[in-house]
Amino acid sequence: AQRVTQPEKLLSVFKGAPVELKCNYSYSGSPELFWYVQYSRQRLQLLLRHISRESIKGFTADLNKGETSFHLKKPFAQEEDSAMYYCALHLSGGSYIPTFGRGTSLIVHP
Amino acid sequence: KAGVTQTPRYLIKTRGQQVTLSCSPISGHRSVSWYQQTPGQGLQFLFEYFSETQRNKGNFPGRFSGRQFSNSRSEMNVSTLELGDSALYLCASSTTTSGSTNEQFFGPGTRLTVL
Repeated sequence: AQRVTQPEKLLSVFKGAPVELKCNYSYSGSPELFWYVQYSRQRLQLLLRHISRESIKGFTADLNKGETSFHLKKPFAQEEDSAMYYCALHLSGGSYIPTFGRGTSLIVHP
Repeated sequence: KAGVTQTPRYLIKTRGQQVTLSCSPISGHRSVSWYQQTPGQGLQFLFEYFSETQRNKGNFPGRFSGRQFSNSRSEMNVSTLELGDSALYLCASSTTTSGSTNEQFFGPGTRLTVL
């Protein structure tokens, strides 16, 4: 069965510091990976997906199939980045069973 | 466009009762997925409906069921409630099914408490 692991429940950094939120997955097929974000008192929303290879709000994530990782990175954290971040694995090939990690709470201090 | 709406927002039930939650997707979205979120298990996929048909199902017992109407609105039903069913139930809509690469838009959730 597929699994998504976010090893850190909480990540605390200062404004301007680099941020890396870790995500590891286990799946033998071709994964499709996403990062979702939930800001305080807001809805869960898509941040970025690996297939798009895009940078959103300064965040990037690279799929490393060798290490089965999809870490989320930002070179300079901002206070408004404070939120809950979830990594998710969607199976490809027609079976749509999304699996979410437990989430990492990012706190950016001024 | 209006976002995904869920009703009710809060619900308190007792063990053994049944409950029905409702979700209205974004206009034009034909896929509706349901999730259960708890502190212990995190966010777990329940099922997905597209054009009134259940397309995918997570690993939940048969007490959890759903349906989708012709206007894409969806309902989720939980029968014989257990204490462990207390959770935040999230609904998400997207434009198409097998949405492995499609963006999902989430509702605010329904907080169910089972006493």
